[in-house]
Amino acid sequence: AQSVAQPEDQVNVAEGNPLTVKCTYSVSGNPYLFWYVQYPNRGLQFLLKYITGDNLVKGSYGFEAEFNKSQTSFHLKKPSALVSDSALYFCAVRGVYNTNAGKSTFGDGTTLTVKP
Amino acid sequence: DTEVTQTPKHLVMGMTNKKSLKCEQHMGHRAMYWYKQKAKKPPELMFVYSYEKLSINESVPSRFSPECPNSSLLNLHLHALQPEDSALYLCASSQGSGAFNSPLHFGNGTRLTVT
Repeated sequence: AQSVAQPEDQVNVAEGNPLTVKCTYSVSGNPYLFWYVQYPNRGLQFLLKYITGDNLVKGSYGFEAEFNKSQTSFHLKKPSALVSDSALYFCAVRGVYNTNAGKSTFGDGTTLTVKP
Repeated sequence: DTEVTQTPKHLVMGMTNKKSLKCEQHMGHRAMYWYKQKAKKPPELMFVYSYEKLSINESVPSRFSPECPNSSLLNLHLHALQPEDSALYLCASSQGSGAFNSPLHFGNGTRLTVT
């Protein structure tokens, strides 16, 4: 079975400060990991992915994520938060084997609030 | 703007009605998905079409009936729904369900209310 955990329901940061949204995963084989963002009344929007290679992945809107195989983590980061980054963030893992092949399993989501 | 278009944006239907949700993409993607999402919760997979064939049905009740007329279009036919089916229904596409490194591209969803 594959799973994703986002341990924080809510993350609050001040504008201009760095932000981290945490994600840990469990999957058979090599992980295919994704971050998505959802703004109110909108669908999910792809931010970045880890497939293989460098452990630091850069994505859209200045976001990056750090893959750590030993800790099975894929934390989303941004050096300087903007108020417009306030949204719901989902971490996801893509299954490769057996009944999970092709399926994306999402974490429960983390609401990020950036205050001016 | 999203490259996956869903219509209608909002739908209110009674429990005896029949309605359809529509989804269209022109990115050449060969996998298309239906998800159901409740407020502040992650999307729940309902169906996957790969190369226009139904490849995954996550034990969805038969009152939901998917259809993929061609590689660009995906429909979800609704009949005899229950109030608990009220949710945001999201369509997504990707390059192919076997292309595991391909992200999902989501539409903005149809907000369904069953009365």
